[in-house]
Amino acid sequence: AQSVTQPDIHITVSEGASLELRCNYSYGATPYLFWYVQSPGQGLQLLLKYFSGDTLVQGIKGFEAEFKRSQSSFNLRKPSVHWSDAAEYFCAAVDSWGKLQFGAGTQVVVTP
Amino acid sequence: EAGVVQSPRYKIIEKKQPVAFWCNPISGHNTLYWYLQNLGQGPELLIRYENEEAVDDSQLPKDRFSAERLKGVDSTLKIQPAELGDSAVYLCASSRDRHDNEQFFGPGTRLTVL
Repeated sequence: AQSVTQPDIHITVSEGASLELRCNYSYGATPYLFWYVQSPGQGLQLLLKYFSGDTLVQGIKGFEAEFKRSQSSFNLRKPSVHWSDAAEYFCAAVDSWGKLQFGAGTQVVVTP
Repeated sequence: EAGVVQSPRYKIIEKKQPVAFWCNPISGHNTLYWYLQNLGQGPELLIRYENEEAVDDSQLPKDRFSAERLKGVDSTLKIQPAELGDSAVYLCASSRDRHDNEQFFGPGTRLTVL
């Protein structure tokens, strides 16, 4: 079955440290891939997307993601996190029926 | 440009009561989505509209849930009667059309059923 997996439910990172959030997908062909961020009480905001082309994608708020076909992964990274990056992050993919399918999310906590 | 608007933001009701959520998509967006987000999980699609037509409602529990988008603009999602398990966040999203894979989300309505 087509699925999106985020192996880490919760990640704690110090302010100023680097962050990497993992995402794996299971689809027959390469789907369109997305990362969204959800702050408490807010809707989802699109950070970046990958459709084709350059496998390193730049997004908003200093985030980037790298698509690796061989690993069926689309990991999100940020070199130096800020306290405002504390939120829940969702990886998502559009499946063969055009439906957006989300992972379970990774909660990021930023410590001083 | 105004984003996707949802109301109310919060709703607390007793079980067996009806409840309705309203969504106004971004102007010019033809495709509208309703998602259910349970605590600690990603959103799951309930229904998708292309203009006023529901083109994917396979995940909508039709015994108690209904939705409409009569004029192809704003939309209402209703639950009647609500059950304890319906407590969740209901998100609305829109996109320009069905070929546009970028969806814009509203802030959601957090429903608590007591």
